[in-house]
Amino acid sequence: GAVVSQHPSWVICKSGTSVKIECRSLDFQATTMFWYRQFPKQSLMLMATSNEGSKATYEQGVEKDKFLINHASLTLSTLTVTSAHPEDSSFYICSALRDRVAYEQYFGPGTRLTVT
Amino acid sequence: AQTVTQSQPEMSVQEAETVTLSCTYDTSESDYYLFWYKQPPSRQMILVIRQEAYKQQNATENRFSVNFQKAAKSFSLKISDSQLGDAAMYFCAYRSGFGGDDKIIFGKGTRLHILP
Repeated sequence: GAVVSQHPSWVICKSGTSVKIECRSLDFQATTMFWYRQFPKQSLMLMATSNEGSKATYEQGVEKDKFLINHASLTLSTLTVTSAHPEDSSFYICSALRDRVAYEQYFGPGTRLTVT
Repeated sequence: AQTVTQSQPEMSVQEAETVTLSCTYDTSESDYYLFWYKQPPSRQMILVIRQEAYKQQNATENRFSVNFQKAAKSFSLKISDSQLGDAAMYFCAYRSGFGGDDKIIFGKGTRLHILP
């Protein structure tokens, strides 16, 4: 089966610093990847859609300058949380679209971000 | 805009019994996909079952089956012979058909408890 990895799985950073989260499709090419945020006991909230070689499409209410997304290759998308604050602490999940017609989407294991 | 509603925040079922999780959705589209995802304590999203709207036959995957009522915009998940490993959050999700938006819209989830 298709595998999507995320790195790191858990990160603690200090307020004001930036942190980068990687999402990789290990055994397939993904032209489209998605980034979600999940608060405790809540559903997944789509933050942005990332397309290889083009600018990400952000959902309404998501700060583009705070959550920088780069989809530089067909197997890697990155989410950088800039000038992190405690309210950015959350669980971030990426997913990768393997087949747009059949709509096969695979999720990464998530990254827990804690900002102190 | 499409919406997905799960009206049962939590449910419990005795081990080996059958349980049904409810989901309704709203859309003006005629071509779309519906999914049930499982999120166990590990928080890895796992696809349980998918249904293409154009298919009248209800999807089945081993102990998991759906009751897809297109006119009523209802998409319930039935879990037969419940097992302890079925304990998780279950999310109902919607995606537009091919040519439409690639993103998935999730419901708020139902937490399923399995009683030994």
